[in-house]
Amino acid sequence: AQTVTQSQPEMSVQEAETVTLSCTYDTSESDYYLFWYKQPPSRQMILVIRQEAYKQQNATENRFSVNFQKAAKSFSLKISDSQLGDAAMYFCALGNTNAGKSTFGDGTTLTVKP
Amino acid sequence: SAVISQKPSRDICQRGTSLTIQCQVDSQVTMMFWYRQQPGQSLTLIATANQGSEATYESGFVIDKFPISRPNLTFSTLTVSNMSPEDSSIYLCSVEVGSYNEQFFGPGTRLTVL
Repeated sequence: AQTVTQSQPEMSVQEAETVTLSCTYDTSESDYYLFWYKQPPSRQMILVIRQEAYKQQNATENRFSVNFQKAAKSFSLKISDSQLGDAAMYFCALGNTNAGKSTFGDGTTLTVKP
Repeated sequence: SAVISQKPSRDICQRGTSLTIQCQVDSQVTMMFWYRQQPGQSLTLIATANQGSEATYESGFVIDKFPISRPNLTFSTLTVSNMSPEDSSIYLCSVEVGSYNEQFFGPGTRLTVL
């Protein structure tokens, strides 16, 4: 069975500052994918960033980057230069072809203070 | 990517009635998922719906309560039957697209049962 753990139910950051959201996971699969999804208040969930487990290089998408530590089964999301529009609930997720479905963490609610 | 629409966007229903939620995708997809989410909470997977086969339900969810149809590769419905106030929630449809198990989500259906 796959598990995803987000230990921070809530986080806050000052506008323009950097924040890191934590995620740990467990899987017996060797080939898998990790995701961070963003769900703004009353708005649709969207994919923020994806990491393939076989890639050592950390994924980056503009102000969003990950710190993927495969041996430690850790997958954190760093948001640089935080903006008010980054305020949302962030979900870490683990997927692989064999499972046929992704496993989601409980989410972290991020507040951005002006 | 995929664009997903859901109908209705919200509804208020009486106890004991049933509501059918529609999910339409702009491209053909194999796997579709139905989730339930309390506002500000994590996602709970109800079932996986593949075209041409019976839906696979997660523990705690049964077909009599949540019948699902998947008549083709772009459409699915979820019915919430014999509703009670405990069924009040947001119901999300999602699809898996591409080689990386990425999921794209619909905007959700906010259901209130009185």
